[in-house]
Amino acid sequence: ETGVTQSPTHLIKTRGQQVTLRCSSQSGHNTVSWYQQALGQGPQFIFQYYREEENGRGNFPPRFSGLQFPNYSSELNVNALELDDSALYLCASSLAGFTDTQYFGPGTRLTVL
Amino acid sequence: GQNIDQPTEMTATEGAIVQINCTYQTSGFNGLFWYQQHAGEAPTFLSYNVLDGLEEKGRFSSFLSRSKGYSYLLLKELQMKDSASYLCAVRGDDYKLSFGAGTTVTVRA
Repeated sequence: ETGVTQSPTHLIKTRGQQVTLRCSSQSGHNTVSWYQQALGQGPQFIFQYYREEENGRGNFPPRFSGLQFPNYSSELNVNALELDDSALYLCASSLAGFTDTQYFGPGTRLTVL
Repeated sequence: GQNIDQPTEMTATEGAIVQINCTYQTSGFNGLFWYQQHAGEAPTFLSYNVLDGLEEKGRFSSFLSRSKGYSYLLLKELQMKDSASYLCAVRGDDYKLSFGAGTTVTVRA
């Protein structure tokens, strides 16, 4: 059974740029949730995708957007990067929407200069 | 909004027991999760409680009291590899997960 994978591992961008982060869900899982984790904080929910549709969203501005593909992999896109966007971005997959246990990938460390 | 509180840091000796408390005030309740996160790594699932009482899984146990908005994670027979951050997360009535800031546990030899 393949776990959740994310790419890239690390990324450095400058303010104003755009970034795309990728996630492959665990085998058999159709739901992907994205979280932002600032240093010393718990993960903050960005949004969730269930069967290619956005299924819920946290308190993040519209410049955070996403996609889910037919194979249930997912992308997180962030436009107009700000310094405060520097964080660990975690992807978690689950079997069915919000009701199942979420399993996390290793994360992408984004640094915005 | 969701409010989840847990201590920032705890230190314990190898072989000892440590109890990490978590209190929560959330809009509804549909389960409480504990995750372990080593520095720079992904959170890994430890336990899930939705009914009151104690859930035991090897050296780790988790307790829930819904009426008190309270949970704890008990780590027994501490090992050096248990040094990590422990995250308490609550699933509210919108079924979304809200996390506490995490408790950093340091195990000393």
